[in-house]
Amino acid sequence: DGGITQSPKYLFRKEGQNVTLSCEQNLNHDAMYWYRQDPGQGLRLIYYSQIVNDFQKGDIAEGYSVSREKKESFPLTVTSAQKNPTAFYLCASSFDRVASRGTQYFGPGTRLTVL
Amino acid sequence: EDQVTQSPEALRLQEGESSSLNCSYTVSGLRGLFWYRQDPGKGPEFLFTLYSAGEEKEKERLKATLTKKESFLHITAPKPEDSATYLCAIIQGAQKLVFGQGTRLTINP
Repeated sequence: DGGITQSPKYLFRKEGQNVTLSCEQNLNHDAMYWYRQDPGQGLRLIYYSQIVNDFQKGDIAEGYSVSREKKESFPLTVTSAQKNPTAFYLCASSFDRVASRGTQYFGPGTRLTVL
Repeated sequence: EDQVTQSPEALRLQEGESSSLNCSYTVSGLRGLFWYRQDPGKGPEFLFTLYSAGEEKEKERLKATLTKKESFLHITAPKPEDSATYLCAIIQGAQKLVFGQGTRLTINP
């Protein structure tokens, strides 16, 4: 059963704590993306990766870090430097590295809440 | 700066009442426009990709059209299960998508 999985579905973070959000895909897609969604706002790109061991910052990368050690996995760490991390986090992947040739498909999301 | 604006922010219709959602964009040279559907608490679900002005695509009660400045998502005889937030996005650069804020559609039975 092919698709994108994200875990956990809900995550609670204390002030000053780093947390890691998991994203796995078994679609054999080259490119993977992390977005953040806040109420009433469009999705904003945090980081993206076109190939294993390579990734680029998106529009709001400050306070976040990623790794791409395997094609299937693209975990996102929300560090204590992220001042307002409460949001809905979405992972996406696409077969083609070029956006105009590859539709992005999304996972189910992780809702992160800072206590 | 590339920008996507969706209107209205929210739309409430009766079952069977057809209408259209708007996505206006500014970009130097459009290379693709995407429509997604998002249910509450879930990830967006891909609907359509449009590449050039005049292009149209259909899926069940939904039809997406594209001009040089905007795209419309027409919904014909909607049902309550069509209630969702509809997102529009354009391609920026080689890899990035720029999203609008979405239109929240509610279909009352």
